[in-house]
Amino acid sequence: KAGVTQTPRYLIKTRGQQVTLSCSPISGHRSVSWYQQTPGQGLQFLFEYFSETQRNKGNFPGRFSGRQFSNSRSEMNVSTLELGDSALYLCASSSGGRTSTDTQYFGPGTRLTVL
Amino acid sequence: AQSVTQLDSHVSVSEGTPVLLRCNYSSSYSPSLFWYVQHPNKGLQLLLKYTSAATLVKGINGFEAEFKKSETSFHLTKPSAHMSDAAEYFCVVGLGTYKYIFGTGTRLKVLA
Repeated sequence: KAGVTQTPRYLIKTRGQQVTLSCSPISGHRSVSWYQQTPGQGLQFLFEYFSETQRNKGNFPGRFSGRQFSNSRSEMNVSTLELGDSALYLCASSSGGRTSTDTQYFGPGTRLTVL
Repeated sequence: AQSVTQLDSHVSVSEGTPVLLRCNYSSSYSPSLFWYVQHPNKGLQLLLKYTSAATLVKGINGFEAEFKKSETSFHLTKPSAHMSDAAEYFCVVGLGTYKYIFGTGTRLKVLA
């Protein structure tokens, strides 16, 4: 079974621009979660989508948004980029059960650099 | 409130010696607990998980962890470290509402 894929793997943008990151989950998985990882803040939860609906959301500003398509693929968008948005963005997929015994499988991440 | 604490931000061991990475949690629920490993510039890989079955959980690459409810701990161990174990390790608590709390990570260094 193919793993979680994320595209692109690396991105360089300038302040004020916007960016879209893509995540394809493992086949059959219906839940996709997004995380931001920085040296200072560690791993922080952005949001989670299940069956095209946002089910959980972390404490990030509205500049961060996401969506999920009917095939479970997900995108996240960051508008009006700031220097502090430079990070590794990780996507994780799981079957999407209602409990937290589900295992999350992570993609390799997208490294975003904002100049 | 639910939380997870990784007690050491950095751990150094010599190759061939035991590894102990410590994790304490706080949860109102009967928790699910996970250990993940992250190699440089890579995503997170699941090492093992506890979901209220056996308290001693065996994972990949010779790692295991023991759930101790009385101590609210879920420490990760390996009898003999290998150079390839050098990475960052994350302890994760799964909450009842499909949310996860990640520890701040422990960076393991393996000395030759």
